[in-house]
Amino acid sequence: QKEVEQDPGPLSVPEGAIVSLNCTYSNSAFQYFMWYRQYSRKGPELLMYTYSSGNKEDGRFTAQVDKSSKYISLFIRDSQPSDSATYLCAMSKTGTASKLTFGTGTRLQVTL
Amino acid sequence: DVKVTQSSRYLVKRTGEKVFLECVQDMDHENMFWYRQDPGLGLRLIYFSYDVKMKEKGDIPEGYSVSREKKERFSLILESASTNQTSMYLCASSFRTGGTDTQYFGPGTRLTVL
Repeated sequence: QKEVEQDPGPLSVPEGAIVSLNCTYSNSAFQYFMWYRQYSRKGPELLMYTYSSGNKEDGRFTAQVDKSSKYISLFIRDSQPSDSATYLCAMSKTGTASKLTFGTGTRLQVTL
Repeated sequence: DVKVTQSSRYLVKRTGEKVFLECVQDMDHENMFWYRQDPGLGLRLIYFSYDVKMKEKGDIPEGYSVSREKKERFSLILESASTNQTSMYLCASSFRTGGTDTQYFGPGTRLTVL
């Protein structure tokens, strides 16, 4: 069983919809949680970073961490065609800085 | 802006060839990483480096080696390329944000081994 599970999609939504992307994980030692966005033929870019449980908002993006359920989410409000990309969750453990464990990514398509 | 560059976007090599992939970062980051990305498997860590001349194995180091002679440059070497090393290779560098590192990725090198 993988340490981090992520539905590969593809997820197709109309422009303006609220998008929910999720990851589950099995290792309770994970403390830091990240979301990366990867456009086709490009490297991943960091979108959001959160520590432990709670919510973090940045513009149209909200990251949510529920450590009791080992579940993290990324919400995108008012989705745009430019949001079409693959979204990767990643996480790391306290004290083992640098080693990220990634989900396999969810491909999102926002249609006009 | 952090800039991580990789020497080639696309590379085609033959089985048994020695392959060098180069990565350069311009932000004085201590940490550098090499990953490979395959459909259904996500990003898997091959090697990483905390400092010049220092290296540590990641999750899938077999068939690869690395070199870090200068802080800004981290090279991945395939000693004898095989077809199962056909993949997208991503380099990253990082600095510490709070208790963990924020990694910045290069554009990737798509390697095909025939």
